[in-house]
Amino acid sequence: TQLLEQSPQFLSIQEGENLTVYCNSSSVFSSLQWYRQEPGEGPVLLVTVVTGGEVKKLKRLTFQFGDARKDSSLHITAAQPGDTGLYLCAGAGGGYNKLIFGAGTRLAVHP
Amino acid sequence: GAVVSQHPSRVICKSGTSVKIECRSLDFQATTMFWYRQFPKQSLMLMATSNEGSKATYEQGVEKDKFLINHASLTLSTLTVTSAHPEDSSFYICSAVTGQGRYEQYFGPGTRLTVT
Repeated sequence: TQLLEQSPQFLSIQEGENLTVYCNSSSVFSSLQWYRQEPGEGPVLLVTVVTGGEVKKLKRLTFQFGDARKDSSLHITAAQPGDTGLYLCAGAGGGYNKLIFGAGTRLAVHP
Repeated sequence: GAVVSQHPSRVICKSGTSVKIECRSLDFQATTMFWYRQFPKQSLMLMATSNEGSKATYEQGVEKDKFLINHASLTLSTLTVTSAHPEDSSFYICSAVTGQGRYEQYFGPGTRLTVT
């Protein structure tokens, strides 16, 4: 069974701080997606990483896919209150286009 | 592009009744749609994979006779919660993929079901 371990589960920081969220597995994934979800809404796709070692940037967010395609990280620089939400990583490889989701990281950025 | 809608956004029903939730892909055809359930402050739990024109594939522990899924067209999948009970109260979210071999899922806004 493929599993994705996401850490930390909760993160409460002040505006302007940096943070990193990790997603780890013992399994290889063909691709990995990061989503952000706000309360009462569906997750929104932020990025897809496909190639081992790949780095993608989305404004203050930097996503990295591990060389072996078993892990990924999300780094946020100078966090803002608008970054508050639930961040989910999801790995592809479960068959029928299924995604394996991590448990999520609940981020709270305080002004 | 890749917009998914869900209807209704909120529904309150009485115990023992059935509720239908619709999931539509608005600007693309989705051969595969997924149904998830999300409990408060938790991640998404996959309930079933819905393929157009065929029977849905349910995850282990999900009762297929209770959660009926129909994917009659390339843009519409429905989830019917039959004989709903208070423990079925939850946030139900659907998603769709844009094509074969694509793994990015685009999610609907979710449906909050409350069974009284």
